[in-house]
Parts: sequence; structure tokens; C-alpha cells
Amino acid sequence: DQQVKQNSPSLSVQEGRISILNCDYTNSMFDYFLWYKKYPAEGPTFLISISSIKDKNEDGRFTVFLNKSAKHLSLHIVPSQPGDSAVYFCAALSSNTGKLIFGQGTTLQVKP
Amino acid sequence: GAGVSQTPSNKVTEKGKYVELRCDPISGHTALYWYRQSLGQGPEFLIYFQGTGAADDSGLPNDRFFAVRPEGSVSTLKIQRTERGDSAMYLCASSPSGGGGTQYFGPGTRLTVL
Repeated sequence: DQQVKQNSPSLSVQEGRISILNCDYTNSMFDYFLWYKKYPAEGPTFLISISSIKDKNEDGRFTVFLNKSAKHLSLHIVPSQPGDSAVYFCAALSSNTGKLIFGQGTTLQVKP
Repeated sequence: GAGVSQTPSNKVTEKGKYVELRCDPISGHTALYWYRQSLGQGPEFLIYFQGTGAADDSGLPNDRFFAVRPEGSVSTLKIQRTERGDSAMYLCASSPSGGGGTQYFGPGTRLTVL
């Protein structure tokens, strides 16, 4: 059973436009959500996170939105840049376990 | 400061052999995690250390897999009698205190079992 799902395997956007990556989860015990970016042959790099007590967190061009009632979160990147092209993973954890549960990833391509 | 490091970066071995993968966490981080990532999938949890002890090893697939962290810093993931299905990227992460803390990943070890 996939507790964290990223239903879009890939996304292509034009440079300067908004990229929206989506993630759904099933476990209501998750209390912390994170987004990681991964380039080929590298480990995941932490991007941004959000606690379940918030509905929005912003850091520069990156904003994460959390809709607890829908068990849905999204990452907005605006404006998108070619260097943002990578695989993006959504991850969730419940703080009493400490282990991250990852989605399958979405490959973002930002075209110049 | 230095991030999480993992050695070797690549390991090719033959079916049935024993391998060890090493992780050096960020200095001062008490929590250390091992994950495994197969092609086209997200990382999957294997084991979590808090200090020297394994707080959660529920993700280890079978008893061929074992991990240690004897001094609460460097950790070694050990795989006995490797099988072709063990081929994957093995990722290590650390966090300052475990629980809900952000986990910072190393570059991974690509294991290929022939």
C-alpha cells in the first residue's frame, strides 16, 4: 500500500512559468511533510518542509501548501528556472517513528 | 561544514558475495537512517539509529541485511549472500535529533550484483 503518492511521473514547464507538483497521502498520523530534489547520481537534497499544523510555508521561489482535509500537498515553484529540472520527491513522516515515507517522484523539466 | 558522506560511491559484486557500505553522518547528528532506492521509485526506509542503537529496523528486507553504528557516528550496512535483487542505490541520511527533524542525505552507494 502506497501511503504517499505522486501521481504525475513527469511535468514540463516553460522557464519563468509556475511549476506545481502534487502529492497525496493516506496516513492521518503523518505530522511533517518534506520535499526533496534529486539530480542524477546524487542523493536527495532537502528543499522545503511543512508541519501539519500549518497550511503554507514559503521559502524564496518555493512554496508548499498543505490541505489536511484532502490529505494533499503541493509544491509551487515560481518563477521556474532550467536549473530546477530534476526529480522531486514528496516525503512524509510521523514524528513518533522518524522514518520518511517517500512518493515515487515527479521528473520536472523546465525548458528555456 | 561537511555533509553526509558514503563510500564507496559504486560497488559491483557477484551474486553470493558479502558487501559493506559505509556512511559518515554530519558531525553531531545523533540520528542516522538507511534507505534503498530502486529505479523509478522513491527511497524506501531500511533502518534508523538513535545513537548506537537501532531504534527501528522494520524496513530491513530479510536477515541477510544488518547494520551497525558502534560509536554513534559512522554506520556500516552489511549485506550477506548478495542477490541480484539487492541491486539498488543505498542512501544514508542523518538528522540532529531524530523524530521530526529534517533528514540530510548523502550521495548514495550504487550497488550492482551480477
